[in-house]
Amino acid sequence: SAVISQKPSRDICQRGTSLTIQCQVDSQVTMMFWYRQQPGQSLTLIATANQGSEATYESGFVIDKFPISRPNLTFSTLTVSNMSPEDSSIYLCSVGEQGGNYGYTFGSGTRLTVV
Amino acid sequence: AQTVTQSQPEMSVQEAETVTLSCTYDTSESDYYLFWYKQPPSRQMILVIRQEAYKQQNATENRFSVNFQKAAKSFSLKISDSQLGDAAMYFCAYRSAWTGGGADGLTFGKGTHLIIQP
Repeated sequence: SAVISQKPSRDICQRGTSLTIQCQVDSQVTMMFWYRQQPGQSLTLIATANQGSEATYESGFVIDKFPISRPNLTFSTLTVSNMSPEDSSIYLCSVGEQGGNYGYTFGSGTRLTVV
Repeated sequence: AQTVTQSQPEMSVQEAETVTLSCTYDTSESDYYLFWYKQPPSRQMILVIRQEAYKQQNATENRFSVNFQKAAKSFSLKISDSQLGDAAMYFCAYRSAWTGGGADGLTFGKGTHLIIQP
């Protein structure tokens, strides 16, 4: 299965600033996914990132707040913009195995704390 | 939209015993995939088991097995011979078989915190 390197593993940021999270995969994948896991909660899909096209955002998530880049088939970034304490969460990237039919591999997550 | 419900926020089991975690889902689709993921305190998401909806046979992976009841939209996870390393959050997840248009991502339940008593 794919191996995902996600950086940073954690960060503490000031409100009003932005943080960019990087996700590197050891193989080429068509789609990459970004999830948010709020404290003590489940995972919620933020957006799906395809190479060469705009990301597809889920309801409740907008591009201005969570801009995503997907410059090639092995890399993606998620930016959390103009942060507030409510953005404190774990952010995870994910890729599908065999298109997702055989499960998904996740990065180790970025624990973000906004103060 | 699909929803996944895990009604047990927390479960406790004695080491070496068997425990069953419940999951129900709501969908109008006939073809889909179901997954159980484990998230230990390290927060790494680990795939435990998967089930294809069009397969009636219940999936099994070593000590982990599922009871998939398609008509009832139920997908429970049974862990046999529980071990201390099984302690984690367990998430049930759904994925449509229809790809594209945002249907490729997973919809997760709220999770069940599994405690293993030594």
